[in-house]
Amino acid sequence: AQSVTQLGSHVSVSEGALVLLRCNYSSSVPPYLFWYVQYPNQGLQLLLKYTSAATLVKGINGFEAEFKKSETSFHLTKPSAHMSDAAEYFCAVSARNSGYALNFGKGTSLLVTP
Amino acid sequence: SQTIHQWPATLVQPVGSPLSLECTVEGTSNPNLYWYRQAAGRGLQLLFYSVGIGQISSEVPQNLSASRPQDRQFILSSKKLLLSDSGFYLCAWSVKGAYNEQFFGPGTRLTVL
Repeated sequence: AQSVTQLGSHVSVSEGALVLLRCNYSSSVPPYLFWYVQYPNQGLQLLLKYTSAATLVKGINGFEAEFKKSETSFHLTKPSAHMSDAAEYFCAVSARNSGYALNFGKGTSLLVTP
Repeated sequence: SQTIHQWPATLVQPVGSPLSLECTVEGTSNPNLYWYRQAAGRGLQLLFYSVGIGQISSEVPQNLSASRPQDRQFILSSKKLLLSDSGFYLCAWSVKGAYNEQFFGPGTRLTVL
């Protein structure tokens, strides 16, 4: 079965600082990985996805993630945090045996301070 | 373009009452459809998925059920709600295939009292 683990339920950064949100995956087959963002009381919005093409994936709002097979990681980064980046972030892996539903991590809440 | 709707946006129901949440997708055909529940601090839990009309797969045994009476309509139901059914319910759709992302609706906040 495919699963992901997000390290750190809460991350706090200063405005302008580097954002690093950690995600490790477990999969017996090459994984398809996703990062989503959720603002309060809203649905999820796709930030980026990895589908075995380039290992460095660029997404919306200046975010990017690097797939590292040797570390089974897919960490999300952004060089400079904005106040508007404050939200809940979810890492997910496609579950091939459930209609390609997504197995989500528990989420990381990002706080951006002035 | 494709859009996904959920209603109601919020719902407060007493324990033991029935439930019906509706999700509809526009601008696409023959999508995969999903119901997730989000509880505080627990991420998103897949409840049901459907690959076609009348085809429902349940991931977690519980007092909820799902139906897909039309290609782009997905309904989540319960005959008798429990306190533990409270949460944020999200519907999602995807194009069929291994690596296609899912698109989420705005969600329904359900509070069972």
